[in-house]
Amino acid sequence: EAGVAQSPRYKIIEKRQSVAFWCNPISGHATLYWYQQILGQGPKLLIQFQNNGVVDDSQLPKDRFSAERLKGVDSTLKIQPAKLEDSAVYLCASSFVFQRGGRGNNEQFFGPGTRLTVL
Amino acid sequence: TQLLEQSPQFLSIQEGENLTVYCNSSSVFSSLQWYRQEPGEGPVLLVTVVTGGEVKKLKRLTFQFGDARKDSSLHITAAQPGDTGLYLCAASWEYGNKLVFGAGTILRVKS
Repeated sequence: EAGVAQSPRYKIIEKRQSVAFWCNPISGHATLYWYQQILGQGPKLLIQFQNNGVVDDSQLPKDRFSAERLKGVDSTLKIQPAKLEDSAVYLCASSFVFQRGGRGNNEQFFGPGTRLTVL
Repeated sequence: TQLLEQSPQFLSIQEGENLTVYCNSSSVFSSLQWYRQEPGEGPVLLVTVVTGGEVKKLKRLTFQFGDARKDSSLHITAAQPGDTGLYLCAASWEYGNKLVFGAGTILRVKS
């Protein structure tokens, strides 16, 4: 079974430029997550999709970050314009189903991430 | 905002030694997961614990969930160089699937 695919793996841009990341989740996984992992920290959830709807985007800096999952499969995360503090690894994860109201034990499968460096 | 504290932040040990990593919160967890992350890769789930006092074993790894469901520990017996990596705990405080990650413990096992 193919895992979560992400591209590009690395990206270097200058501040104020725009950048986009792409994620293809595991086939059949309804829930997709984007995380930001700054060096020395654990991943922080940016946005969570259930199919093509947003479940949680409370920690997404909406003035510069946007994400979409139009057909409920692939997703893109965009930063426009980028700041120095956006330098991080951006991880995409997917899970089979989001169990609201239950003691969720849904395993999240992570992609390899995109390492973004903003100069 | 719920926070998870992991300790130690960094651990460097010799092959064959034992170690314990801790994960703590001031609030009761709904569930807690432990992940291992290698450089250039995403985290990989090791275990999920949901019941207070629960103990799970995965080969040389022993995971324990505190009775009050506010803390957890990961114990590795006879560490090997292949255990080197970043160990992350992640907790959910509400019934659901949103996870909050700790900052992680970087483990280096020297041969």
